[in-house]
Amino acid sequence: DVKVTQSSRYLVKRTGEKVFLECVQDMDHENMFWYRQDPGLGLRLIYFSYDVKMKEKGDIPEGYSVSREKKERFSLILESASTNQTSMYLCASRLEAYTEAFFGQGTRLTVV
Amino acid sequence: KQEVTQIPAALSVPEGENLVLNCSFTDSAIYNLQWFRQDPGKGLTSLLLIQSSQREQTSGRLNASLDKSSGRSTLYIAASQPGDSATYLCAVLTSGTYKYIFGTGTRLKVLA
Repeated sequence: DVKVTQSSRYLVKRTGEKVFLECVQDMDHENMFWYRQDPGLGLRLIYFSYDVKMKEKGDIPEGYSVSREKKERFSLILESASTNQTSMYLCASRLEAYTEAFFGQGTRLTVV
Repeated sequence: KQEVTQIPAALSVPEGENLVLNCSFTDSAIYNLQWFRQDPGKGLTSLLLIQSSQREQTSGRLNASLDKSSGRSTLYIAASQPGDSATYLCAVLTSGTYKYIFGTGTRLKVLA
C-alpha cells in the first residue's frame, strides 16, 4: 500500500516563526502536492512538485515556499507564520499525471 | 475554468439504505475523476479513480460512474453502514493541467 506520511498531526506555532511541514512518500512517486483545507473554502493547492528540485506555484503560494531535495520528501515552509495560516495542511503524491493520488493524514497547524 | 459541484452538501440516511452521491463538473475535457472520503480531522482516503475512457469503477460496496458528456459522476454506496459516515469528495483532473479541482464535498451520516 502507498503510504504518505506527514511529520506531525498537530502543531502550535507563534506568529513570526519559521515553520517546516514535512511529507514523505514510500512509492517512488514523481508528483507531490501541498494543499490547505479551510471550512467553506475546500482544498486549495499551495505548491506542486513534478520531480526532484522542480516545483510550480499553485493557487495560493503567497507566504509559503517548498523544498524537494529527494524524491520521497516534500517540505512546505512557512517563512514567517501568521494567524491566517492556521489551517489543515494536506500532502499528496501520485506516480505521475493521470494516476491515483494518495494523501497523508493531515497536519492541523495553529498559529497564535 | 473548471468548477466542481457536489449536491447535496449533507445527507442523513438509515443504516442499510442504498444511496447516491453526485458530482458535477463544467468542463467535460477531463483526464480522470477521483472519489475520496475524509473522516473528521483526518486526511483523504482514495476510494475510486475513473479514467476519462471508463464508464464506471467498482470496489466492494462502492460503484462510481462517469458521464463526461453531461459532466457528471455518481458514487453509489450499497447497503450503507454507520462506518460509512464521512465527508465524500470528488476531484477532477482537467485535460492540459496537472492539478485536481475538488468539489466541496457531501457530508454523509448513516444512522444505526
